[in-house]
Amino acid sequence: GDSVTQMEGPVTLSEEAFLTINCTYTATGYPSLFWYVQYPGEGLQLLLKATKADDKGSNKGFEATYRKETTSFHLEKGSVQVSDSAVYFCALTGNQFYFGTGTSLTVIP
Amino acid sequence: DAGVIQSPRHEVTEMGQEVTLRCKPISGHNSLFWYRQTMMRGLELLIYFNNNVPIDDSGMPEDRFSAKMPNASFSTLKIQPSEPRDSAVYFCASSATSGGRQETQYFGPGTRLLVL
Repeated sequence: GDSVTQMEGPVTLSEEAFLTINCTYTATGYPSLFWYVQYPGEGLQLLLKATKADDKGSNKGFEATYRKETTSFHLEKGSVQVSDSAVYFCALTGNQFYFGTGTSLTVIP
Repeated sequence: DAGVIQSPRHEVTEMGQEVTLRCKPISGHNSLFWYRQTMMRGLELLIYFNNNVPIDDSGMPEDRFSAKMPNASFSTLKIQPSEPRDSAVYFCASSATSGGRQETQYFGPGTRLLVL
């Protein structure tokens, strides 16, 4: 069945470091891919999405490219800030929605 | 535009009591989801509705949990009787479904439930 696998956390980075959170997927057909972010004490919010192969989603300095050949949708940011500390979820949708297990990111000053 | 609305935001109750969580989805969305989030188990899908009809309730833990969606603008998740292990954050989310394909899910702020 369809699923997403994302890297285990927690991840701790210094401010201004480069961030990569890996996400790979298994799906039949052509799913849409998403990254959601959950800040402490809040619900999940859509961060970015891509609906077809080679699309790049971007928002708030974060980017992810839909790679069909490697079935991946890795999240990247060139320079993280303390305010980026949150839990990040990769997800895909076809006829159902599937979330990854979440990766906790802590950015220290 | 109003997002997904959940109430109450916090609930503290004693074991054995009935708990009812409420959700108002985004207007025009035809799919609604209930999730539970805990540190131990992460984010779990409990049930989802499409056009007010339950489609998949395989995530509902046991008979103590029930969910209804009497109309397109309201859903409830009920726990009766509640137990301490039900303590968690419960999220409601909604999305539009087009051509059998689900679109972006939008989450409410969650209900933080503590069962003593």
